[in-house]
Amino acid sequence: GNSVTQMEGPVTLSEEAFLTINCTYTATGYPSLFWYVQYPGEGLQLLLKATKADDKGSNKGFEATYRKETTSFHLEKGSVQVSDSAVYFCALRRSARQLTFGSGTQLTVLP
Amino acid sequence: GAVVSQHPSWVICKSGTSVKIECRSLDFQATTMFWYRQFPKQSLMLMATSNEGSKATYEQGVEKDKFLINHASLTLSTLTVTSAHPEDSSFYICSAPSGRNTGELFFGEGSRLTVL
Repeated sequence: GNSVTQMEGPVTLSEEAFLTINCTYTATGYPSLFWYVQYPGEGLQLLLKATKADDKGSNKGFEATYRKETTSFHLEKGSVQVSDSAVYFCALRRSARQLTFGSGTQLTVLP
Repeated sequence: GAVVSQHPSWVICKSGTSVKIECRSLDFQATTMFWYRQFPKQSLMLMATSNEGSKATYEQGVEKDKFLINHASLTLSTLTVTSAHPEDSSFYICSAPSGRNTGELFFGEGSRLTVL
């Protein structure tokens, strides 16, 4: 079946540090891949996505590249800010509308 | 601003009572909505798919008589946790497709249920 494995948190970084949150997946075929972010007290929001191999999704300084050979979709940001503190979820689309989520990674950025 | 709204955002109830959680799509219609349950430090687990005008589709292992879902209109779905027990305490989240066939889902803020 389809599954998503995410790097366990929590992750604590200083402002301007480099961020990597690992995500690997298991799926039949070539699913679309997503990163969602959940800020404190808010619902999940789409951060970025990639729909096919070698695609790079990017938004707000975050990037993730769809790697078919390693079945990975790692999230990266070169310089994190305090406002990036949130929970990040990796997900794959398992049907036309349904998503399978990873367990989420709590990120805390200290000033 | 939010495009999917949930209410209440948190609720505390006594064991044996029922609790209703509403999920509304704002400024767009949703023939389908999804209900998730999130345990601490765990992933969102899809519970059921709510379909406007027909019965909900439940995921394997989810008790349909425990978690009643009603999709009353194109902008409202409700989840009722019946005869709640402490093990039902969790974070419940609803979502609705964006309607643009992009695979994007809009999520509600979530509802924290605590059963005493």
